[in-house]
Amino acid sequence: NAGVTQTPKFQVLKTGQSMTLQCAQDMNHNSMYWYRQDPGMGLRLIYYSASEGTTDKGEVPNGYNVSRLNKREFSLRLESAAPSQTSVYFCASKEETSGYNEQFFGPGTRLTVL
Amino acid sequence: KDQVFQPSTVASSEGAVVEIFCNHSVSNAYNFFWYLHFPGCAPRLLVKGSKPSQQGRYNMTYERFSSSLLILQVREADAAVYYCACEGRNTDKLIFGTGTRLQVFP
Repeated sequence: NAGVTQTPKFQVLKTGQSMTLQCAQDMNHNSMYWYRQDPGMGLRLIYYSASEGTTDKGEVPNGYNVSRLNKREFSLRLESAAPSQTSVYFCASKEETSGYNEQFFGPGTRLTVL
Repeated sequence: KDQVFQPSTVASSEGAVVEIFCNHSVSNAYNFFWYLHFPGCAPRLLVKGSKPSQQGRYNMTYERFSSSLLILQVREADAAVYYCACEGRNTDKLIFGTGTRLQVFP
């Protein structure tokens, strides 16, 4: 299994440009998550999806949209990028069978907005 | 507000036991999770639960509002960021701390 994969690994945007970060998991997990990681701020939840067809806001949703395309894929879209969105973005999915909220992470996308 | 607190930096000598402390104000928090993160890689779960537990060189202590991660025989290769996280009962979300950067000196 590949686990959680993210594309692209790196991206540079100009202010106002749009882009979509892609995430896919092959572990048949129902729940998927998008986080951003900033120095001194840790991992902050942007959006999550508890199941196919549902999405909910996390702690820092402003400036982002998400799509749960199917059970495998959960994309994050920046419609008009701003320098404040420069960050490392992580996607995660949740293991269901253990009874714990054990999340598995992708390797991240490093985004720079100029 | 639901928050998880941990020190920003911990330093240790190689071969020692290092402790990283975490406490929280998360409503109805039940489980703790400790993740290891090397820059450029995916964060990886080390240990989890609602009771003291051990996975290899990693021990987790547990109290109702706090947990510590103990790393035995710490090595320079253990230098990374360690995240503590909590989940509340009946929730799909984890609340992460801001991360602790472990420095290991020879």
